Amino acid sequence: NAGVMQNPRHLVRRRGQEARLRCSPMKGHSHVYWYRQLPEEGLKFMVYLQKENIIDESGMPKERFSAEFPKEGPSILRIQQVVRGDSAAYFCASSPDRGHYEQYFGPGTRLTVT
Amino acid sequence: DAKTTQPNSMESNEEEPVHLPCNHSTISGTDYIHWYRQLPSQGPEYVIHGLTSNVNNRMASLAIAEDRKSSTLILHRATLRDAAVYYCIPGSNYQLIWGAGTKLIIKP
Repeated sequence: NAGVMQNPRHLVRRRGQEARLRCSPMKGHSHVYWYRQLPEEGLKFMVYLQKENIIDESGMPKERFSAEFPKEGPSILRIQQVVRGDSAAYFCASSPDRGHYEQYFGPGTRLTVT
Repeated sequence: DAKTTQPNSMESNEEEPVHLPCNHSTISGTDYIHWYRQLPSQGPEYVIHGLTSNVNNRMASLAIAEDRKSSTLILHRATLRDAAVYYCIPGSNYQLIWGAGTKLIIKP
C-alpha cells in the first residue's frame, strides 16, 4: 500500500509566481490535511479537506492561499503571487475514516521563493 | 489546547531502552495523547496514541500517568534509525498542535 505521495519534492519560484503543490492520500483515505513548517519551527495546521469539501481552513492565510480535493485526482494547495515568507516545507497528511488520530504524512514539498 | 513540556534533547546508547517524557498538566478529559516523530528532512511519522490506558504497538509503548498529566514514550531497543525529533501532542480533533519536541540522539 503506497504511502502519501507529494510532488514536487522541491519547488523554486520567483516572487510573484504561483506555486501548486499536489498530494495523493493513501489508498482508502478520504481525509486530507495540509501543514506548513517554517525553518526551525514546528508544523502548523493549515486546512482539512474531504473529497470535494473544505471542512476547516482556519489555519490558511486569508489571501493568496487556496486548497481543493476534487472527486478525482490529488489534493492541491495553491499559493498565488508567492513571497519570500512563503518559503517553507509543506506537508500533506491523510487519515482513514476510523478517525483522525492516525495521520500519515507525505515527504513534503520544500518551496523556496527567490 | 493543552500545553506540553518536553526536554529539548536526550541521548541514548544504541540497543538500550529510551524513555521520552512529556508533561501535559492542562490536558482535558477528552484529549488523546499522540506521539509523532520526524526524521531529518522527512515528513512526520505517526508513532502511537492513547487516552487512559497504556498502549503498545510494534514501534513503541505509551505509558500514561493515572492522572493523565504526563506520559512517557518507550522505545524498547533504540537503533540509529530512531534518531529523530519526537513530538507529544495532546488533542481531541484533527488539528495537531506541534511544539518543539525532543531531539533524540542515538550513540552507536
